Amino acid sequence: GENVEQHPSTLSVQEGDSAVIKCTYSDSASNYFPWYKQELGKRPQLIIDIRSNVGEKKDQRIAVTLNKTAKHFSLHITETQPEDSAVYFCAAPREEGNLIFGKGTKLSVKP
Amino acid sequence: EAQVTQNPRYLITVTGKKLTVTCSQNMNHEYMSWYRQDPGLGLRQIYYSMNVEVTDKGDVPEGYKVSRKEKRNFPLILESPSPNQTSLYFCASSLWVATNEQFFGPGTRLTVL
Repeated sequence: GENVEQHPSTLSVQEGDSAVIKCTYSDSASNYFPWYKQELGKRPQLIIDIRSNVGEKKDQRIAVTLNKTAKHFSLHITETQPEDSAVYFCAAPREEGNLIFGKGTKLSVKP
Repeated sequence: EAQVTQNPRYLITVTGKKLTVTCSQNMNHEYMSWYRQDPGLGLRQIYYSMNVEVTDKGDVPEGYKVSRKEKRNFPLILESPSPNQTSLYFCASSLWVATNEQFFGPGTRLTVL
């Protein structure tokens, strides 16, 4: 079955720097890759997703890139701000139409 | 307002005392799921449901039960809670199968003594 590995588990950056979180998946048939953000004490919320027919998707300061050959996808946050501090989860679909989540990355943005 | 609700938000109980955590969505979503979140382990799926009367085990179903008798509700039942079920629980729903945006409930913090 599908397996998702997420790295790093923690990431600390200075405000204004960029942050990159990477996930690898095992099932080459996977076709949908979302990223969720969970602020402290809150519920996870979708921030961006990508389907396998595109290689990159951007939404203001966040972007997701997909490398189907290498079976990995990454979240890029540019010009980080303190409000970007949160736990970020990647996910990938399983054959039964379900999602499996990565273990999460705790991002800390230092002012 | 479109939302997923869970109750209770916080619960402290004792080993062996049956409890139910309710989950309800008002978006007419087909797919619903339960996750538990533990430090360092991310979101692990307990059970999911693709439609009414259809439920399936996730990655960590032991000690839990669910039912889906109507589309909007997906309760999580712990027949005999144990301390290793102390966790933060999230219910989620999406329009249909999980390859659409999942909307999460606010979470239920459960402590089993």
